[in-house]
Amino acid sequence: GENVEQHPSTLSVQEGDSAVIKCTYSDSASNYFPWYKQELGKGPQLIIDIRSNVGEKKDQRIAVTLNKTAKHFSLHITETQPEDSAVYFCAASNKAAGNKLTFGGGTRVLVKP
Amino acid sequence: GAVVSQHPSRVICKSGTSVKIECRSLDFQATTMFWYRQFPKQSLMLMATSNEGSKATYEQGVEKDKFLINHASLTLSTLTVTSAHPEDSSFYICSARDSVGVQETQYFGPGTRLLVL
Repeated sequence: GENVEQHPSTLSVQEGDSAVIKCTYSDSASNYFPWYKQELGKGPQLIIDIRSNVGEKKDQRIAVTLNKTAKHFSLHITETQPEDSAVYFCAASNKAAGNKLTFGGGTRVLVKP
Repeated sequence: GAVVSQHPSRVICKSGTSVKIECRSLDFQATTMFWYRQFPKQSLMLMATSNEGSKATYEQGVEKDKFLINHASLTLSTLTVTSAHPEDSSFYICSARDSVGVQETQYFGPGTRLLVL
């Protein structure tokens, strides 16, 4: 089955700086890669996703890049703000596996004011 | 749009009792819903896939007689933790996939925190 590795497990940045989280996946058939933000005591919230036919996607301060050959994808947050502090999860899925999501281990991001 | 609710948000019960958690898609129909379990400071682990009108599909290691799933309508799935024990204490989260929308996208509920005494 699919295995998703996520790094780093914790990330501390100064407000205004950029944050980058990286994930690798094992199943070359995976074709959908969402990123979720989870605040304490709440459910995950979809913040951005990318499909395998696209190499990069951007939404305001958030961008995701995908390298299918290397089987890795990354989340980039620019101009970080204290409200960006949360746990971020990457995930991967493919249609053949019923579109079930396999999650990375999560990255705890702390933005220091 | 794409709102998923869960009820209750928090429940405390005695060991040996059963607890039912509801997951509803509020503004879309979901033929498929998923149930996850999350321990403190850990990632989400898929427990089962809930399909409307048919039996749920459980992940390896998840006891189907322990975690009963019913998906009786296009907007409601329930998870019943039967004869709960302290080791079942966890954060249970459901997600739903829009039947007519983009098939891969899952929208998550706010979670239910279960504490078994």
